[in-house]
Amino acid sequence: GEDVEQSLFLSVREGDSSVINCTYTDSSSTYLYWYKQEPGAGLQLLTYIFSNMDMKQDQRLTVLLNKKDKHLSLRIADTQTGDSAIYFCAETLGGTGGFKTIFGAGTRLFVKA
Amino acid sequence: NAGVTQTPKFQVLKTGQSMTLQCAQDMNHNSMYWYRQDPGMGLRLIYYSASEGTTDKGEVPNGYNVSRLNKREFSLRLESAAPSQTSVYFCASSTPSGGTTGELFFGEGSRLTVL
Repeated sequence: GEDVEQSLFLSVREGDSSVINCTYTDSSSTYLYWYKQEPGAGLQLLTYIFSNMDMKQDQRLTVLLNKKDKHLSLRIADTQTGDSAIYFCAETLGGTGGFKTIFGAGTRLFVKA
Repeated sequence: NAGVTQTPKFQVLKTGQSMTLQCAQDMNHNSMYWYRQDPGMGLRLIYYSASEGTTDKGEVPNGYNVSRLNKREFSLRLESAAPSQTSVYFCASSTPSGGTTGELFFGEGSRLTVL
């Protein structure tokens, strides 16, 4: 079945790099995503990677995809207190019934000043 | 620039009561979704509607019904609320993959407590 797993908590010091890891099970996923949720708000897309890519860089964010191991990671360089949030890994599965996105449980990132 | 709008934002129900969560999007998206968010469990898909006129069950559909009223609106109904349905509910919309990234756009959430 479909499953996305990620650790629940990560604590880093301001200025350090954060690395959030995720594993997924469905090798047919077209896109893999990282969403960010700030307190009291809905999720917003942070970045995504297409399944035929190994890496994507977007300013302080680096996404690495290892398709063989079904492993996705998000690295945040120079982590700031404003990066404190819950980060969700997600994959979109397609089919004749339409597309649905499956989320991991979310990793709560704590940034210590 | 409304995006996805959910109502109500907060609701307290007694066990056995019914209610409907409303969701509307103004981005002309084909697909709409209802998720629930519980601590340590992330977001779980309740129902989704790939396009107007279709609905499908997600991971946790029991105790819920949905209606895709038109392209803009997708409602979630609890017929007989139970304490296990205490959660934060999110509506989302997207265009299908295939030429787009499949990004989901979320509402701000509806916080439901069932006593």
